[in-house]
Amino acid sequence: DTGVSQDPRHKITKRGQNVTFRCDPISEHNRLYWYRQTLGQGPEFLTYFQNEAQLEKSRLLSDRFSAERPKGSFSTLEIQRTEQGDSAMYLCASSIQGEELVLTFGAGSRLTVL
Amino acid sequence: AQSVTQLDSQVPVFEEAPVELRCNYSSSVSVYLFWYVQYPNQGLQLLLKYLSGSTLVKGINGFEAEFNKSQTSFHLRKPSVHISDTAEYFCAVTTYSSASKIIFGSGTRLSIRP
Repeated sequence: DTGVSQDPRHKITKRGQNVTFRCDPISEHNRLYWYRQTLGQGPEFLTYFQNEAQLEKSRLLSDRFSAERPKGSFSTLEIQRTEQGDSAMYLCASSIQGEELVLTFGAGSRLTVL
Repeated sequence: AQSVTQLDSQVPVFEEAPVELRCNYSSSVSVYLFWYVQYPNQGLQLLLKYLSGSTLVKGINGFEAEFNKSQTSFHLRKPSVHISDTAEYFCAVTTYSSASKIIFGSGTRLSIRP
């Protein structure tokens, strides 16, 4: 068990570019969550998957954001036409059926939009 | 909708002194409550959780928290802190009906002085 892996750990991009983050959850975990954390704030919920189904999306997830979990294993979070306000740490977490409320977090992917 | 407030953004304490990190929540229904810790450059880690039952909850690393329904609080305590406890601590809340979405507070930075 290697925990929740996120890639890349850091991404610097220019405004208007697209970026994609990947999350590999713990293998037997069927739930996967994306959160966003800005400086001085706690994590904010973005979306979550149960297996491959995306069951809830926050209003924070504008139409420039899309998340997928095609085979119920890894997930990607894509941000199109990035804006400076997208600069944040993007956190992935996963949980196992029966312990849905116990989230295991990855170390995060830090995005800086210039 | 539920929310959580961490009253102190920073708490400095001396090593081996006791500490209390304050957390208040707001919800019209029964809640589940959590404390997470984030060490520098690491993912959030669950310290303890309250789901039901005893209002005094013991977690890892000698931390404990008490659920107080009348005061809508879930304060985190440790009788004697160590340098290694230096980290950011997040209180979080969810409800049975929205258990997929855990709401985090803005965090309290605990700094330990030798």
